[in-house]
Amino acid sequence: AQSVAQPEDQVNVAEGNPLTVKCTYSVSGNPYLFWYVQYPNRGLQFLLKYITGDNLVKGSYGFEAEFNKSQTSFHLKKPSALVSDSALYFCAVRLHFSGGYNKLIFGAGTRLAVHP
Amino acid sequence: GAVVSQHPSRVICKSGTSVKIECRSLDFQATTMFWYRQFPKQSLMLMATSNEGSKATYEQGVEKDKFLINHASLTLSTLTVTSAHPEDSSFYICSARDSIGPKPREQYFGPGTRLTVT
Repeated sequence: AQSVAQPEDQVNVAEGNPLTVKCTYSVSGNPYLFWYVQYPNRGLQFLLKYITGDNLVKGSYGFEAEFNKSQTSFHLKKPSALVSDSALYFCAVRLHFSGGYNKLIFGAGTRLAVHP
Repeated sequence: GAVVSQHPSRVICKSGTSVKIECRSLDFQATTMFWYRQFPKQSLMLMATSNEGSKATYEQGVEKDKFLINHASLTLSTLTVTSAHPEDSSFYICSARDSIGPKPREQYFGPGTRLTVT
């Protein structure tokens, strides 16, 4: 089955340290991969996406992600974490179906806690 | 950037009543909109895909007669929870896909609606 996995429920990191939020996927064909962030009681905000091209994708707020086809991963990274980065992060993959229909499926989410 | 709004942001209703949630794309046209629900500390689950001018496509296990979706214009989709029960209490998030522009077309999310059924 096509799916997205975020193996960590929570990631804790000290402010100023680098952070990584992991994501692996299992889809057929070439994946379209996304990262979103959600603050409490809010909708999702787009961070970045990989469609094709350079495996290292840069996005909003200093985040970046690296597409690794051999490891089927798309980990989110930031060189220096901020307390304000504390939020819920979702990895997603767009599934494509016949007739042009497509939809996003989400990983379970990873809560990032950045400590001062 | 593209903005998607939802109204209301919070609603409390009594068991057995119906409640309507609106989703609007404010500065772009959306042929396709999506409705998700999110339980506390869980991921988003797609409920249905709403297509302007046609019937919605529901995901497996979602009751179409309970969750009525109408997408009457390119900027508005509504979700009506009929005969609400406490277990329908959840955070409902809509998303709208830009109808024009280069493919793959962007999908933008609304701020969500917190529904509490008492």
